[in-house]
Amino acid sequence: RKEVEQDPGPFNVPEGATVAFNCTYSNSASQSFFWYRQDCRKEPKLLMSVYSSGNEDGRFTAQLNRASQYISLLIRDSKLSDSATYLCVVISNFGNEKLTFGTGTRLTIIP
Amino acid sequence: NAGVTQTPKFRILKIGQSMTLQCTQDMNHNYMYWYRQDPGMGLKLIYYSVGAGITDKGEVPNGYNVSRSTTEDFPLRLELAAPSQTSVYFCASRDPRGSSGANVLTFGAGSRLTVL
Repeated sequence: RKEVEQDPGPFNVPEGATVAFNCTYSNSASQSFFWYRQDCRKEPKLLMSVYSSGNEDGRFTAQLNRASQYISLLIRDSKLSDSATYLCVVISNFGNEKLTFGTGTRLTIIP
Repeated sequence: NAGVTQTPKFRILKIGQSMTLQCTQDMNHNYMYWYRQDPGMGLKLIYYSVGAGITDKGEVPNGYNVSRSTTEDFPLRLELAAPSQTSVYFCASRDPRGSSGANVLTFGAGSRLTVL
């Protein structure tokens, strides 16, 4: 089993719709979780951290489910500009040096 | 703050040539990383460093070398370029101290390398 797994997609979603995707992780000792966004041919950029209690930033909501070992990202009222690849990142408590990336979920918002 | 700066942005190499990808950060981050990303694929860790004078191998270190003589700089060297090293290379840094927000990984803009 991979340390961090994501559905690669692509998710093709009409503008204005709500879309959600998950990221599962195998190490139960993982402590820190993040969602990054990567546009085509660009570097990944932090979208949001994922806190234990869940957190929201505008149209974006991130949640953590420790029991089932996954994090989720919900995008409401999707915009054309949301088209990108979304990467989840997990930092395990042990060592705290290496970050593990998922392979990313590609999202395309359709006009 | 410039953040993480990588040079060059683009480079074409012939098989067997050597080159160094430069990476520098001005955020006083202890941790620095080199990733490669092949087309349509995820990021793979090549090498990382937790501080000046300390480096360690990641998932795919073969064919690469690194050094970390200062906190700011973390160059990646390719000694004998091979077509399999055609990829986009990203350098990144972070400061693991403090709150979880301080764990944010900041990337450079990437270096696109083609080996022919």
